[in-house]
Amino acid sequence: DARVTQTPRHKVTEMGQEVTMRCQPILGHNTVFWYRQTMMQGLELLAYFRNRAPLDDSGMPKDRFSAEMPDATLATLKIQPSEPRDSAVYFCASGSRNTIYFGEGSWLTVV
Amino acid sequence: GESVGLHLPTLSVQEGDNSIINCAYSNSASDYFIWYKQESGKGPQFIIDIRSNMDKRQGQRVTVLLNKTVKHLSLQIAATQPGDSAVYFCAENMMDDKIIFGKGTRLHILP
Repeated sequence: DARVTQTPRHKVTEMGQEVTMRCQPILGHNTVFWYRQTMMQGLELLAYFRNRAPLDDSGMPKDRFSAEMPDATLATLKIQPSEPRDSAVYFCASGSRNTIYFGEGSWLTVV
Repeated sequence: GESVGLHLPTLSVQEGDNSIINCAYSNSASDYFIWYKQESGKGPQFIIDIRSNMDKRQGQRVTVLLNKTVKHLSLQIAATQPGDSAVYFCAENMMDDKIIFGKGTRLHILP
């Protein structure tokens, strides 16, 4: 049963610490997305990739967030330094034609 | 200050009745639309999709209608069941596979 795998599932960290979230897309999918979900903003697109190349990261605060795909089986989203306002659920999704499939999310709390 | 949660529109439906969830999309150039279901604590799950050259598509107990003239999308769920209780999101595939989500509607099933 192919699925998107995200780690960690839950993370509590102190303000100022670096946070790295990882995602293993579904094998064969060539597009990978990072979304952030909060009560205030709903599901926001942070960045997405096609064939490991970033296509759009305009939704991401550039000063502290970075997204990469070191290889086809791994996408990372890094926050450095983290702030309390970054507390949210971060979802990775992957797809190959139009439709994308989500992981279970990384629940981040910054205190 | 105190944060205010995002107020999601809520649709309350009697078990066994049909549900209709509506969505307005923003980009007339979007060529593909998707409905997702999100249960508490989980990632969004794909339900059904439709291309812009269609106005109706049916799945198992679900039907999606597309009205491009007014940029409106609807999801109809037949014979609503308790397991249908969730938040439903429409998404549009904009230029270059950029997938943007609407704010969501919470479906509440009455016994």
